[in-house]
Amino acid sequence: DTEVTQTPKHLVMGMTNKKSLKCEQHMGHRAMYWYKQKAKKPPELMFVYSYEKLSINESVPSRFSPECPNSSLLNLHLHALQPEDSALYLCASSSDLPSFGYEQYFGPGTRLTVT
Amino acid sequence: TQLLEQSPQFLSIQEGENLTVYCNSSSVFSSLQWYRQEPGEGPVLLVTVVTGGEVKKLKRLTFQFGDARKDSSLHITAAQPGDTGLYLCAGAAERGSTLGRLYFGRGTQLTVWP
Repeated sequence: DTEVTQTPKHLVMGMTNKKSLKCEQHMGHRAMYWYKQKAKKPPELMFVYSYEKLSINESVPSRFSPECPNSSLLNLHLHALQPEDSALYLCASSSDLPSFGYEQYFGPGTRLTVT
Repeated sequence: TQLLEQSPQFLSIQEGENLTVYCNSSSVFSSLQWYRQEPGEGPVLLVTVVTGGEVKKLKRLTFQFGDARKDSSLHITAAQPGDTGLYLCAGAAERGSTLGRLYFGRGTQLTVWP
């Protein structure tokens, strides 16, 4: 099973709202990622969790707050977003073993619209 | 810094034609992955190449990793409309704190017309 699930599929929120994106994987992967993707562009890395600890923050604004409650779950808490934050948010996971080539498996994404 | 140069950016061909997409870099990668993405969906992993000079085949798709692990190509034989999508190459960093981090090419938008 190489499935990464994300909820919700679509989200519309106002600039004063607080919402959360959720991601789950059951592949035993110990690295999990959040990406942001604009139309017709490659994914941009936001955060990396390795063994449930935040290992990379790509200078993401504090209105995005990641959380890794356990090795299977990853959340992204959203607060006071701007319209330019509208994008497809992707979660991914990977094994930390070089024999797997660090290949990442992506979820289907959450289409976020900020109004 | 764009570590991976992917070309062409757009490709529009007729069904039955062959095509090749290239990803080139001056950096060495521990592995290179190819993804295909449909609009509004997440990228789907097609293949991972790990060994320099490695060639992998997936039906009509052939993937090659350069001997020096700096470049890769994707060749599609007899393209079909179902091959339409955004193709992304991504190299996994080799060393230190960036180990395993992916660096994406800009993507190739392929359209195959019936």
